[in-house]
Amino acid sequence: EIVMTQSPATLSVSPGERATLSCWASQSISSDLAWFQQKPGQAPSLLIYGASTRATSTPARFSGSGSGTEFTLTISSLQSEDFAFYYCQQYNKWPPTTFGQGTKVEIK
Amino acid sequence: EVQLVESGGGLVQPGGSLRLSCAASGFTFSIYWMSWVRQAPGKGLEWVANINQDGSEKFYVDSVKGRFTISRDNAKNSLYLQMNSLRAEDTAVYYCARSPDIMDVWGKGTTVTVSS
Repeated sequence: EIVMTQSPATLSVSPGERATLSCWASQSISSDLAWFQQKPGQAPSLLIYGASTRATSTPARFSGSGSGTEFTLTISSLQSEDFAFYYCQQYNKWPPTTFGQGTKVEIK
Repeated sequence: EVQLVESGGGLVQPGGSLRLSCAASGFTFSIYWMSWVRQAPGKGLEWVANINQDGSEKFYVDSVKGRFTISRDNAKNSLYLQMNSLRAEDTAVYYCARSPDIMDVWGKGTTVTVSS
């Protein structure tokens, strides 16, 4: 099973600032990585797949990068609606597909 | 509108059973793999099971093998999860999601609580 590790657990950012979230895979997953956003009481929503491809409704301020074992989600200028939990997920080797433990982006 | 709607959650005693349903609409259900993913209170996401288009391939996370069964009815555009021998650690919100890899559509979830 591929283990996904996210850092930091909590990121405190002021509105308008840049946020950088990290995700590591325990072995190479090529670019088979997705990022999800989850707000309290809501289902996860796909943001990025293929490590860097934005989903249909994802704003351009979200960008993903990386390949192999190291990945990054960047939010260029945080908006109020971006304060949420973010999860990475590998789908290179499944079953099982596996998720990171999540990063909470909170208002500083 | 592409939509998944889960139902069937509730409070059940340890050792009990529950059957979750997921109704799909707005897309051709029969051509997609489907998945169940759960989230325990205050915890992250955990894949539970998935099933291929005609139901001939099914996969489960180790912790539910032998207790949970995933199935589908393409004529009814529906996905199911039969959960038997439930344990306290199965308490979670259960989501159905489209696709086994890039999960691009999710339902709002149904809550399962296992407690005496």
